[in-house]
Formats: sequence, C-alpha cells, structure tokens
Amino acid sequence: AQTVTQSQPEMSVQEAETVTLSCTYDTSESDYYLFWYKQPPSRQMILVIRQEAYKQQNATENRFSVNFQKAAKSFSLKISDSQLGDAAMYFCAYRSPAGGHAGGTSYGKLTFGQGTILTVHP
Amino acid sequence: KAGVTQTPRYLIKTRGQQVTLSCSPISGHRSVSWYQQTPGQGLQFLFEYFSETQRNKGNFPGRFSGRQFSNSRSEMNVSTLELGDSALYLCASSLFGKSTDTQYFGPGTRLTVL
Repeated sequence: AQTVTQSQPEMSVQEAETVTLSCTYDTSESDYYLFWYKQPPSRQMILVIRQEAYKQQNATENRFSVNFQKAAKSFSLKISDSQLGDAAMYFCAYRSPAGGHAGGTSYGKLTFGQGTILTVHP
Repeated sequence: KAGVTQTPRYLIKTRGQQVTLSCSPISGHRSVSWYQQTPGQGLQFLFEYFSETQRNKGNFPGRFSGRQFSNSRSEMNVSTLELGDSALYLCASSLFGKSTDTQYFGPGTRLTVL
C-alpha cells in the first residue's frame, strides 16, 4: 500500500517570502500522480498543483511550483511571494493509476499525507 | 458551472442512529468519491462510484455504504453510528474517476455523534 508522509505539522512564513513544504511517499508503482491540495478554514479542498510521475519537468502554477524527485520519492511544494490568502492546511496526495494508458483500477482514490498548517505573517 | 454541493452541511446524531449524506457532483461529472476526515486519522478514502456502480472501496466497516443515482448524485449512509464516526465527510467529483481526471471537492458535511 502506498503511504504519504508530511513531516512538518506546522510552517510559517512572512508575507512576500518563500516557503517550501515537504512531502515524501512510498510506492512500488512506476506510474502515478501526485497532488498538493489546500484546505482553508472553510474546509473546501482546493487543488493547488499536480504532477505526473512520468514527466521529469517539475509542475508550476503561478506562484506555486514543485520539486519532484522520483528516485528519492520526494515531492515538495514551493510557494513564492506568499500572500495572506495562502494560509491554510496543505495536503500532499498520491494517486495510483486508474484507467487510461496505464490501466489500473484505483478509481477515485487519493492517499493523503497528514497535512501541514501554513501560517502567513503580515 | 456550479461546484460540488453537499447536504446537509452540519448534522448532529446520537449513537446507534443512522445517517444519510448527499453529494451532487459538478454537471457532467460521473464519478463521485467519498472521504472521511478526522483529526486522528486524517483523510481516508471511503468509496468511489461511477455509473451507479461502486468501483473502489476503502478500509471501512460495512456500516458505511453508498449509492449513486442515474443523475450521478450520490449518497452515503452510516448505520449504527459510533462516537468515532464524528468527522467531516467530503465528497469529490471528476469526469470519469480516472487518475488523469482532477477531483473537485465539495464543502463537506460535518457529522457530530453524541
């Protein structure tokens, strides 16, 4: 079974600064997907960024980027120019293949890490 | 396009009762997944439905069940409630439930069992 570990229960950053959230995972699969989700106090889970394991290029979405190290099974999230609205719980998540060219039957299932609470100081 | 909606948003039940939670996916989405979120166990996958069929199931007792209707709306039911069932229940929808599809989450239903 796959596991996802976020070793930082809490992190803080000054507004406009950069912060990196860590995530490691364990899997024997070669094809998979990784995600960072954000959960603000409203509890609505919002997708921040996704990375396909077969892609070597790190994903970026505006101020958010990842450092994907497949061999090390590491998937960290970098938030640049932090804003007050970035304050939230951040979850790293793993997805096994389901459908598509890789086959697989792990439909719908995301395996989440324990989460990191990010505080942004003005 | 409207997002994923969940009803009710809050629910208080007592031990031994049963409860039904509802999830309406984004229009056009046919896959609905359910998750339980607790402070102790974190986010755990319950099950996934597509075209009224359960395709995947997490490690939960049989007291947890679900179904999906022909319009893709989904319900989950918990029978014989226990104190440990107190949690935020999230549903997520995607086009086909494949790993290439993005899951969009609803706001959740907060269940409190007394």
